[in-house]
Amino acid sequence: GESVGLHLPTLSVQEGDNSIINCAYSNSASDYFIWYKQESGKGPQFIIDIRSNMDKRQGQRVTVLLNKTVKHLSLQIAATQPGDSAVYFCAGAPTGGGNKLTFGTGTQLKVEL
Amino acid sequence: DGGITQSPKYLFRKEGQNVTLSCEQNLNHDAMYWYRQDPGQGLRLIYYSQIVNDFQKGDIAEGYSVSREKKESFPLTVTSAQKNPTAFYLCATADRGLGYTFGSGTRLTVV
Repeated sequence: GESVGLHLPTLSVQEGDNSIINCAYSNSASDYFIWYKQESGKGPQFIIDIRSNMDKRQGQRVTVLLNKTVKHLSLQIAATQPGDSAVYFCAGAPTGGGNKLTFGTGTQLKVEL
Repeated sequence: DGGITQSPKYLFRKEGQNVTLSCEQNLNHDAMYWYRQDPGQGLRLIYYSQIVNDFQKGDIAEGYSVSREKKESFPLTVTSAQKNPTAFYLCATADRGLGYTFGSGTRLTVV
């Protein structure tokens, strides 16, 4: 339902540490998931995606883990840098839902120097 | 922004006025979407279109209208019926089986 007034949770990490951003989904029919990064005043940018037939996928400094049993998705960022400071959204698409993604509320990542 | 152009970047609307936000793409993607984002919140779907001359309401369509006369263009009109239009508006496109590509957004403010 509506989440008006719900503000984004915040994750603060020290520069150089690893970051883990979590996302829960409710639709067990979802079979495609994406993580986006949104910097202030800009549109979201694609980071990494994963299909439900996979448990893990790695990119450059990022790893996405999918646990279908508990409907949980996580984004791990290795050696977090100041440029990683942004809002991170997960999104999912159900089987047969075409391209229509449903977005999570997002997490604000703050990197402390 | 990957071939998606949103304009203007900033837009000011007076009370009772209709305004139109532009979204143009050269990615040859069939699907196009409009989202609204309020400060500190996630993305809410306004309207989407899977093909030319067809579109569907999203979760918060009231007070908005769209058209899809060309594959490249999906303009959004914020009508006077939208009582709280101040927000950041994002247009996105999608190709079959792939995720969205977003534009850079339009920030609309009521004055």
